Amino acid sequence: KAGVTQTPRYLIKTRGQQVTLSCSPISGHRSVSWYQQTPGQGLQFLFEYFSETQRNKGNFPGRFSGRQFSNSRSEMNVSTLELGDSALYLCASSLEGTSGRNEQFFGPGTRLTVL
Amino acid sequence: AQSVAQPEDQVNVAEGNPLTVKCTYSVSGNPYLFWYVQYPNRGLQFLLKYITGDNLVKGSYGFEAEFNKSQTSFHLKKPSALVSDSALYFCAAYAGNMLTFGGGTRLMVKP
Repeated sequence: KAGVTQTPRYLIKTRGQQVTLSCSPISGHRSVSWYQQTPGQGLQFLFEYFSETQRNKGNFPGRFSGRQFSNSRSEMNVSTLELGDSALYLCASSLEGTSGRNEQFFGPGTRLTVL
Repeated sequence: AQSVAQPEDQVNVAEGNPLTVKCTYSVSGNPYLFWYVQYPNRGLQFLLKYITGDNLVKGSYGFEAEFNKSQTSFHLKKPSALVSDSALYFCAAYAGNMLTFGGGTRLMVKP
């Protein structure tokens, strides 16, 4: 079974630009969550999607948005990039996210650098 | 607000010795608790979880964790450390419809 894939793996952008990151979950997984990992703030939850609906959102500004498609693939968008958005963005999928009983499977991440 | 604490930024242990990576949590209700490991330039890999039942949970690669409700702790343990266990370890708690992570503990196993 293929794991969670994320594209691109590395991205360099400049301040003010916008970026879209993509995540393909494990086949059969309907829940996709996104996390931001930085040395200073650690791992922070961005949002979770289940069956094309955003079910939960972390404490991030509206510049961060996402969506999920009918095939469970998900995209995350960051508009008006700031230097502080430089981070490793991790996507994780699980069978279903409502109960939290199922472990999440993480992709390798997209390393975003904002110059 | 829920939180997960990993009080040690780094743990050093000699190969063959037992290891413990500490985790405490503060969440409402009965949490689901997880341990993940991250190797350089990789995503997180699931090690083990506590949902309910036996307080001692066994996981991948010989790791186990002990859930202690009274101390609100979920320490990760392994009887005999390997050099290949050197990595970044994260404790996490699922509550309030989200997974909250601790700050991570870097485990260094020396030959």
